[in-house]
Amino acid sequence: EAQVTQNPRYLITVTGKKLTVTCSQNMNHEYMSWYRQDPGLGLRQIYYSMNVEVTDKGDVPEGYKVSRKEKRNFPLILESPSPNQTSLYFCASTLRASYNTGELFFGEGSRLTVL
Amino acid sequence: KQEVTQIPAALSVPEGENLVLNCSFTDSAIYNLQWFRQDPGKGLTSLLLIQSSQREQTSGRLNASLDKSSGRSTLYIAASQPGDSATYLCAVGSSGSARQLTFGSGTQLTVLP
Repeated sequence: EAQVTQNPRYLITVTGKKLTVTCSQNMNHEYMSWYRQDPGLGLRQIYYSMNVEVTDKGDVPEGYKVSRKEKRNFPLILESPSPNQTSLYFCASTLRASYNTGELFFGEGSRLTVL
Repeated sequence: KQEVTQIPAALSVPEGENLVLNCSFTDSAIYNLQWFRQDPGKGLTSLLLIQSSQREQTSGRLNASLDKSSGRSTLYIAASQPGDSATYLCAVGSSGSARQLTFGSGTQLTVLP
């Protein structure tokens, strides 16, 4: 089954404790992206990756890091989480960034709370 | 910078009603517009995609229209059912790249039995 898998789905942590949210897709997609969703603000893009070893900042990259060492995986790293990073995070992928077919597949989300 | 607005933020209707959800955008130079459905605790599922050259798209009881000149799109749901209860988001593609996607904040729809 074609899917985007995120882990963990729910996480409560404390300020400053490094954490990683994993994202994996089984569709051989080149393009992957991370969004955060906050009430009243819609989805905002954090980082995206056009392909292996190619990543770039989205609209709200501060406080986050990413890596793309393999095509299927695109982890989101919070080196020193702060309460303003409490949010619902989504990973998404599509076959090729340069061809916007609208076939954007989303993971089920990771709800992060930073105390 | 593209901005996407969805009004109302929440809507409650009795089962069986036809309803319209609205999406407006500030820059009419769009590539496409897409409607998503988001269920609680779930990711987004694509419902309809309208290319900039199209006026509308239909899928079952759903019909999405696009008026680029006025910067508006509507999602029409016919004969609503409780299973339609979800948050509906529109997303505007500003170019051929999946990178250039701007989301609205969504309309939370509740269909009452």
